[in-house]
Amino acid sequence: NAGVTQTPKFQVLKTGQSMTLQCAQDMNHEYMSWYRQDPGMGLRLIHYSVGAGITDQGEVPNGYNVSRSTTEDFPLRLLSAAPSQTSVYFCASSSGGAAYNEQFFGPGTRLTVL
Amino acid sequence: AQSVTQPDIHITVSEGASLELRCNYSYGATPYLFWYVQSPGQGLQLLLKYFSGDTLVQGIKGFEAEFKRSQSSFNLRKPSVHWSDAAEYFCAAFEGNAGNMLTFGGGTRLMVKP
Repeated sequence: NAGVTQTPKFQVLKTGQSMTLQCAQDMNHEYMSWYRQDPGMGLRLIHYSVGAGITDQGEVPNGYNVSRSTTEDFPLRLLSAAPSQTSVYFCASSSGGAAYNEQFFGPGTRLTVL
Repeated sequence: AQSVTQPDIHITVSEGASLELRCNYSYGATPYLFWYVQSPGQGLQLLLKYFSGDTLVQGIKGFEAEFKRSQSSFNLRKPSVHWSDAAEYFCAAFEGNAGNMLTFGGGTRLMVKP
């Protein structure tokens, strides 16, 4: 039981490049979400999904795309990377909404955009 | 706007000393409240949560938190800090938003002196 896994751990991009951050969970959780963590700002929700085929925007969705074709996977796509997207990205999953169900976090991806 | 504030960005305590980390929330009603810990290079782990009832809640690793409605606070405490408690601590809240996700404070980094 690996929990929530994220790849890669580290990534450096040039402005304008695109890439996909991978997230997978093996707990059969319906809810998955992506956060970015910036110093002094805590974690901010980018996109979330309440089940396969269903996604919605969070607080800071601009510049990011998501899809949820399976229960297990929830990739985050950067369409055209910008220096403002330099951050640490966390994927999380839970069996239901965050109020009553513990969110399990992956180890994070540290992204630098030059 | 709904928000969670952690006034202290950094706190340093000596090993064996007591600890209190502050958290204030700004919501229309009493939200559900959480404390998470992030060890270096790791994802977030849930320490404890408050939904209703007893205002003093116990968590893992010897932590507790007290909900005070009159002060809109949910401070985290530990009677005797261990060196392994050095980490970043996040307060979070939920008040039934459409995304069913959490709003995080900016975090408090705890350093422990030997």
